[in-house]
Amino acid sequence: SQKIEQNSEALNIQEGKTATLTCNYTNYSPAYLQWYRQDPGRGPVFLLLIRENEKEKRKERLKVTFDTTLKQSLFHITASQPADSATYLCALDEAAGNKLTFGGGTRVLVKP
Amino acid sequence: NAGVTQTPKFQVLKTGQSMTLQCAQDMNHNSMYWYRQDPGMGLRLIYYSASEGTTDKGEVPNGYNVSRLNKREFSLRLESAAPSQTSVYFCASSEPGQGNSPLHFGNGTRLTVT
Repeated sequence: SQKIEQNSEALNIQEGKTATLTCNYTNYSPAYLQWYRQDPGRGPVFLLLIRENEKEKRKERLKVTFDTTLKQSLFHITASQPADSATYLCALDEAAGNKLTFGGGTRVLVKP
Repeated sequence: NAGVTQTPKFQVLKTGQSMTLQCAQDMNHNSMYWYRQDPGMGLRLIYYSASEGTTDKGEVPNGYNVSRLNKREFSLRLESAAPSQTSVYFCASSEPGQGNSPLHFGNGTRLTVT
């Protein structure tokens, strides 16, 4: 069966360090992978999209990689700040029509 | 810009009661979605509407109905609520695409069924 796995354990990290989150998937062949941020009591907010033919994408302090051979995406927050504390979700497209399937999310806590 | 607006924010129902969750977007998006979010389960797609006048089932449609009233509005109805439908419900919208269009989410409706 199709599955998207994100580390369900919270990631505690010191301010200024790099946080690295993983998103592993099985039985998918996504053309696109998206990352979202979700704060408590709020809806997810789109951060980055990466295509299958792109190895890496950057936006400010965020970097995403996409390895279709390993079936894995890595999400990096460099020079992390307490304001980066949130849950981060990865999402893959299914067949067609932009029906995204989401992972369970990883909570990040950046300590000052 | 309001973006995606969901009402109500909170709701408590008794088993067997019905209710409609409302969603409206002001971004002129063609596609709209309803997801539910449960602890440890992530976001699961209930129904979606690729364009005005069309709706399709997602991963967990049982116990729900939807109406795409017009381009702006997409409602989710629970005809006979069950405790298993206790969840946080999110509406989202996007431009149509093949997984390359970001979703814009509302801030959710927190539903408890007792």
